Amino acid sequence: QQPVQSPQAVILREGEDAVINCSSSKALYSVHWYRQKHGEAPVFLMILLKGGEQKGHEKISASFNEKKQQSSLYLTASQLSYSGTYFCGTEPWASGGGADGLTFGKGTHLIIQP
Amino acid sequence: DSGVTQTPKHLITATGQRVTLRCSPRSGDLSVYWYQQSLDQGLQFLIQYYNGEERAKGNILERFSAQQFPDLHSELNLSSLELGDSALYFCASSVSVRGYGYTFGSGTRLTVV
Repeated sequence: QQPVQSPQAVILREGEDAVINCSSSKALYSVHWYRQKHGEAPVFLMILLKGGEQKGHEKISASFNEKKQQSSLYLTASQLSYSGTYFCGTEPWASGGGADGLTFGKGTHLIIQP
Repeated sequence: DSGVTQTPKHLITATGQRVTLRCSPRSGDLSVYWYQQSLDQGLQFLIQYYNGEERAKGNILERFSAQQFPDLHSELNLSSLELGDSALYFCASSVSVRGYGYTFGSGTRLTVV
């Protein structure tokens, strides 16, 4: 089942902060975050694992509420280069054969204006 | 360069035809995933392979098939193509079956006319 992302779109000025949310109806093993610029491939930002482990880039932060199966991505002091579409992807805790591909949300469009 | 190589970058073909998309994963990655991205459907998971074996299937049509070879490269075969199959097809790779980030290739843009 597809995770739900909010908001659908955000317009910010450089230097402002943004929060993008992702929620799932399934118990999750992990939540991934990716950024995709128009015409390019998605780029991995961060993974949050059940149990609190995080792996990702230094300038991006995120949280994972295991009880609510919700994750939030925090973009602070936004730069023009942050523009793009942000996708969360979820791996379910219970999966067939121990592996499932990521199910992605519909994405959040982020526009940073000078 | 992400390290994941996809060929061809663009493909234009007629309805009813068959095409093969190719993917070489990043060095050291054992899992390969195929995704379809269209404007109205977003990123849809098709299939996953790990170390040569199929591990998980998503919304992959029966007209589509894939395989991963001993050198870990993968091919996605699309047959009896329809106009609705026009989309961006991404291959991604990761270190293991779960718990690691994906590295995406630059994609193959398929246009069915």
